[in-house]
Amino acid sequence: QVHLVQSGAEVKKPGASVKVSCETSGYTFSDFYINWVRQAPGQGLQSMGRINPHTGVTDVTQKFEGRITMSRDTSISTAYMELSRLTSDDTAVYFCAREAMALVETEWAAFFDLWGQGTLVTVSS
Amino acid sequence: DIQLTQSPSFLSASVGDRVTITCRASQGISHYLAWYQQKPGKAPKLLIYGASTLLSGVPSRFSGSGSETDFTLTISTLQPEDFATYYCQQLNNYPRTFGPGTKVDIK
Repeated sequence: QVHLVQSGAEVKKPGASVKVSCETSGYTFSDFYINWVRQAPGQGLQSMGRINPHTGVTDVTQKFEGRITMSRDTSISTAYMELSRLTSDDTAVYFCAREAMALVETEWAAFFDLWGQGTLVTVSS
Repeated sequence: DIQLTQSPSFLSASVGDRVTITCRASQGISHYLAWYQQKPGKAPKLLIYGASTLLSGVPSRFSGSGSETDFTLTISTLQPEDFATYYCQQLNNYPRTFGPGTKVDIK
């Protein structure tokens, strides 16, 4: 079975960093982008960035440039997201999500077909 | 970045109702749109991709349509398990932005 399993909840102080892991299983890790999406309490979904596990190349949403680092360890099929200089506004559930593609008529369409269970990060002094 | 708006933001409906949610993109995105369902405390679940292709295993009461800037998600006959928040997402380019969500509640 295909799974994305994330690390557990974290409590951090303002100014600190947090690193969340996303362990994958049941498919070829290098074949699919891993995206990071966060959801503040009572709010919607916000795309943060993604990593190509095959090359390690990342794309970062402008809002998080300079604060987010995405990495991967292909030997254990795990992706990581580190967010630095945390503030209370970073309190949220952080999800990893696999980006897949399928042929729709004559063109390839992308979508997020698998999600981790989410990791609650609380930033509080 | 491409912005997505959804309407309504909140919808009160009864079991058996037909429900339609609209998603509008700030620029043309062809058919590169997906719809997700999210229940409290859970990760989103993919329903539809490519604007109108139903993911295998998703009930046929869900359908999607549209292209370029205007899209709809329709639930033909609302079931008790469909009360949730629905998000559209564009995948035409990066970043993969989401709409603000539509909460479907019980009337």
